Amino acid sequence: EVQLLESGGGLVQPGGSLRLSCAASGFTFGTYAMSWVRQAPGKGLEWVSGITGSGGSTYYADSVKAHFTVSRDNSKNTLYLQMNSLSADDTAVYYCVKQGLYSSTPFDFWGQGTLVTVSS
Amino acid sequence: QTVVTQEPSFSVSPGGTVTLTCGLSSGSVSTKFPSWYQQTPGQAPRTLIYNTNVRSSGVPDRFSGSILGNKAALTITGAQADDESDYYCVVYMGNGLWVFGGGTKLTVL
Repeated sequence: EVQLLESGGGLVQPGGSLRLSCAASGFTFGTYAMSWVRQAPGKGLEWVSGITGSGGSTYYADSVKAHFTVSRDNSKNTLYLQMNSLSADDTAVYYCVKQGLYSSTPFDFWGQGTLVTVSS
Repeated sequence: QTVVTQEPSFSVSPGGTVTLTCGLSSGSVSTKFPSWYQQTPGQAPRTLIYNTNVRSSGVPDRFSGSILGNKAALTITGAQADDESDYYCVVYMGNGLWVFGGGTKLTVL
């Protein structure tokens, strides 16, 4: 059974940093592309970032390109999102999402999400 | 900047049929691997349909996807109270980039 467990969310001050983690199990992690999708309170879904199975290519929405970094450690079956220079606009639930073999393949399994709140 | 458009809200009677659509501000979604997701309040999204019309594992066959003109469509046949949710589409814009629509709030009444 595919499981994705996000962690690392919490309250952070504007300008601060946070690193999210997503522990994956139930599939051969390093074979599949992964993404982060966020949802601000009361708002819709927003794709944030993606990464290929090898980690060799990364992709970002324009809204986060300058201050988020996605990475993965396939030996630990873990996906990361390093978030720097956080602002109130980054307040959201962040979902870890499994894709298919390529970054052009759709999202199939979703984690339960971790809440990031940026506030002073 | 390409915008993905969805109806903000829709309503359907129990047992009825409803079609939600997903379009682009420019061009057709037909080549952009449109997918559909269902989300109830407080829950993570659930994958319904991917690659236009492929039903995800465990999704009832009353959910179906198609292309109508330049738009992707999600049709729910025989709507049930449980179907009252937010529905989101997402399209692939190339170069690893994805864009979600704003979502449709479906009411079953």
